[in-house]
Amino acid sequence: AQTVTQSQPEMSVQEAETVTLSCTYDTSESDYYLFWYKQPPSRQMILVIRQEAYKQQNATENRFSVNFQKAAKSFSLKISDSQLGDAAMYFCAYRSVGGNQFYFGTGTSLTVIP
Amino acid sequence: DSGVTQTPKHLITATGQRVTLRCSPRSGDLSVYWYQQSLDQGLQFLIQYYNGEERAKGNILERFSAQQFPDLHSELNLSSLELGDSALYFCASTTRNTGELFFGEGSRLTVL
Repeated sequence: AQTVTQSQPEMSVQEAETVTLSCTYDTSESDYYLFWYKQPPSRQMILVIRQEAYKQQNATENRFSVNFQKAAKSFSLKISDSQLGDAAMYFCAYRSVGGNQFYFGTGTSLTVIP
Repeated sequence: DSGVTQTPKHLITATGQRVTLRCSPRSGDLSVYWYQQSLDQGLQFLIQYYNGEERAKGNILERFSAQQFPDLHSELNLSSLELGDSALYFCASTTRNTGELFFGEGSRLTVL
């Protein structure tokens, strides 16, 4: 079974600085999707960024970018110019192409220090 | 707005009672997923439906059941409620094209 591991339960960053959240996964599939979701205090789940495994180029969405290392099965999220509104729980998730199941990590709680 | 609608947003009930949570997926999405999130916990997958049929089952208690109707909306039924069932229940839908899950705002259940 696929597993997703987020080894950092908590992280903190100074406002305007850059922080990287780690995620590793285990799979025997060659084609799949990877996602980062943000869950702010409102507890709504918001998609931050997605990556298709067949694409070598790392996905970027404004201040959010990923470092996708397929061979290492690593999918880290970099948040640049951190803002107070970035404070949230961040979940990494995996889904194989054509598969039903989504596999979520346990989450990383990010604190942004003013 | 994700396009996924969940009702009710908040629900307070007593132990032993039964509640029904409702979900309308995004227009065109055939798959519906239910997740449970207790306070400060991760997401626990409960069950998935695709076009009216159960496709996958996670750690769903026997006291819980779900179904997806022909109009694709889904209901999660929770019975004989216990204090530990207090949680945020998410519904999510997905499309094959883009792969991601679109989450509703959740139904916050409090069992007293």
